[in-house]
Amino acid sequence: EAGVAQSPRYKIIEKRQSVAFWCNPISGHATLYWYQQILGQGPKLLIQFQNNGVVDDSQLPKDRFSAERLKGVDSTLKIQPAKLEDSAVYLCASSFEGGRNYGYTFGSGTRLTVV
Amino acid sequence: AQKVTQAQTEISVVEKEDVTLDCVYETRDTTYYLFWYKQPPSGELVFLIRRNSFDEQNEISGRYSWNFQKSTSSFNFTITASQVVDSAVYFCALSEQGKELSFGAGTTVTVRA
Repeated sequence: EAGVAQSPRYKIIEKRQSVAFWCNPISGHATLYWYQQILGQGPKLLIQFQNNGVVDDSQLPKDRFSAERLKGVDSTLKIQPAKLEDSAVYLCASSFEGGRNYGYTFGSGTRLTVV
Repeated sequence: AQKVTQAQTEISVVEKEDVTLDCVYETRDTTYYLFWYKQPPSGELVFLIRRNSFDEQNEISGRYSWNFQKSTSSFNFTITASQVVDSAVYFCALSEQGKELSFGAGTTVTVRA
């Protein structure tokens, strides 16, 4: 099966600019996650979707970050305006069910550098 | 609340040595899943193993082995006869049923030739 696709692979922007990341999960995976991984740290959940509904966005800085998953398939994560501390790798993951089948598959990530 | 602790920040070994990575977790749930992931320099997260809370059997896969002990809330990972290609950051992660993965801070393993 095809893996989780993410684009772009790398992005460099200036602070206060906006940026968007795209994720296409594995076909049939109902649950989609966005994680932020700052250099030297483990990934931290930003938002979890079940189909096209938000399950958990408690860690999402909503003043600047937004995410959507239209039609329960692809998802986009946006940052506007970006800050220097947003420099990180943004990982998208999907799973068949958030419940019983715990096969999480991660994409290759988008490495964001804010200068 | 979930919490995963990987006390070792970095481990450096010479090729063919064994290396054990420690992972201690906290959860109040009786049903949960534990994972190990490998993150090589290229950045992708590579799945290594998943273990559910009801299965305390240790597991061996080639040079990799895992020791799950509920009594001490630990899920340790051993690489036997390490190789240079094992150099990576290794993450332990916990998931309670229906919830996201919570990762530890990771342990960087460097295997020197």
